[in-house]
Amino acid sequence: SQTIHQWPATLVQPVGSPLSLECTVEGTSNPNLYWYRQAAGRGLQLLFYSVGIGQISSEVPQNLSASRPQDRQFILSSKKLLLSDSGFYLCAWSVDQIFSFFGPGTRLTVL
Amino acid sequence: AQSVTQLGSHVSVSEGALVLLRCNYSSSVPPYLFWYVQYPNQGLQLLLKYTSAATLVKGINGFEAEFKKSETSFHLTKPSAHMSDAAEYFCAVRGGNNNDMRFGAGTRLTVKP
Repeated sequence: SQTIHQWPATLVQPVGSPLSLECTVEGTSNPNLYWYRQAAGRGLQLLFYSVGIGQISSEVPQNLSASRPQDRQFILSSKKLLLSDSGFYLCAWSVDQIFSFFGPGTRLTVL
Repeated sequence: AQSVTQLGSHVSVSEGALVLLRCNYSSSVPPYLFWYVQYPNQGLQLLLKYTSAATLVKGINGFEAEFKKSETSFHLTKPSAHMSDAAEYFCAVRGGNNNDMRFGAGTRLTVKP
């Protein structure tokens, strides 16, 4: 069966520090991968999606970036975190482009 | 482009009462529609999906939703609320050729004993 992992589960970082969140998928090949951010009371915002290794599409301008070094690995990064980067980050994948499975999420607090 | 609007950020019902969570969508192509549930500090779990087959869709945990094209709606219902239904619910839409889903702002459901 397919499984999606995210780590860390929670993270507290100071403003200006770097960020690296990792997402890996098991049990499937060539998935579409997504990063969403969920801010309090604001629903989910799509940040990035990837249809293959090295292929990243960005939905909103921001100080975050994403990379897909392997087929089932998706990384969200920042060189310098802002207070506004706090939120709940969710990784998701889909194979048939119809619906997505979500990971458990990472709670990021920037102080 | 696709979008969804969830009417009501908070809904409160008594245990055993009808649950109705509203969702209206906008899509330039025949949409795929979804309802997800999120429990605190967890990811999203798919409740049900509409993919152009039957307009009345049954999901897990006794939930169902009806696709009404004339009303551009996809409201989520459950005949009798249970305490364990307390969570946040998200409606989402995906266009036929898009690689992403658009989510509503969410509706927090509270179930009173």
